[in-house]
Amino acid sequence: KAGVTQTPRYLIKTRGQQVTLSCSPISGHRSVSWYQQTPGQGLQFLFEYFSETQRNKGNFPGRFSGRQFSNSRSEMNVSTLELGDSALYLCASSYGLAGNEQFFGPGTRLTVL
Amino acid sequence: AQKVTQAQTEISVVEKEDVTLDCVYETRDTTYYLFWYKQPPSGELVFLIRRNSFDEQNEISGRYSWNFQKSTSSFNFTITASQVVDSAVYFCALSEAKSQGAQKLVFGQGTRLTINP
Repeated sequence: KAGVTQTPRYLIKTRGQQVTLSCSPISGHRSVSWYQQTPGQGLQFLFEYFSETQRNKGNFPGRFSGRQFSNSRSEMNVSTLELGDSALYLCASSYGLAGNEQFFGPGTRLTVL
Repeated sequence: AQKVTQAQTEISVVEKEDVTLDCVYETRDTTYYLFWYKQPPSGELVFLIRRNSFDEQNEISGRYSWNFQKSTSSFNFTITASQVVDSAVYFCALSEAKSQGAQKLVFGQGTRLTINP
């Protein structure tokens, strides 16, 4: 099976812009989760989508949003970018049941100037 | 609230030495899951192992072994006869069993392991 794919791999934006990141899960996986990784805060959970519904959300401002399509592909959007949004954004997919291992994509490295 | 602590920020050893990475967790749930992930320089998190809270059996997979002790809330990871390719950042993570929160992984800060030739 193909792994989790994320596009784009690298992105440079300026403050105030918005950005959309894409994630394609492993075939058959219905759950997609997003994480933000920064040197200061480490790996933090953003949100999880399962069957097109947001099932759980982390402690991030409303500027961070996401959605999931009927084919389980997911997008996350960050509006009004701030310098502090510079991070590696990781997407993970799983079957969505408790205890299922999550498989991560290579990430999107976002730099906000 | 759930919390995972990896007190060792960085470890450096010489190849072929054994090394243990510590992980201590906090949770009020009686059913939960523990994970270890490896993050090589490429950045992608690689799944290593999952343990549920009812299974305290230690596990060995090749040079890797895991010791889960509920009494001390620890889930430690040992690499035997380390190799340069083991160099990476290792993360311990915790998730709850309730379906709404089951996919939320709470990660420790990670331990950067460097294996020197």
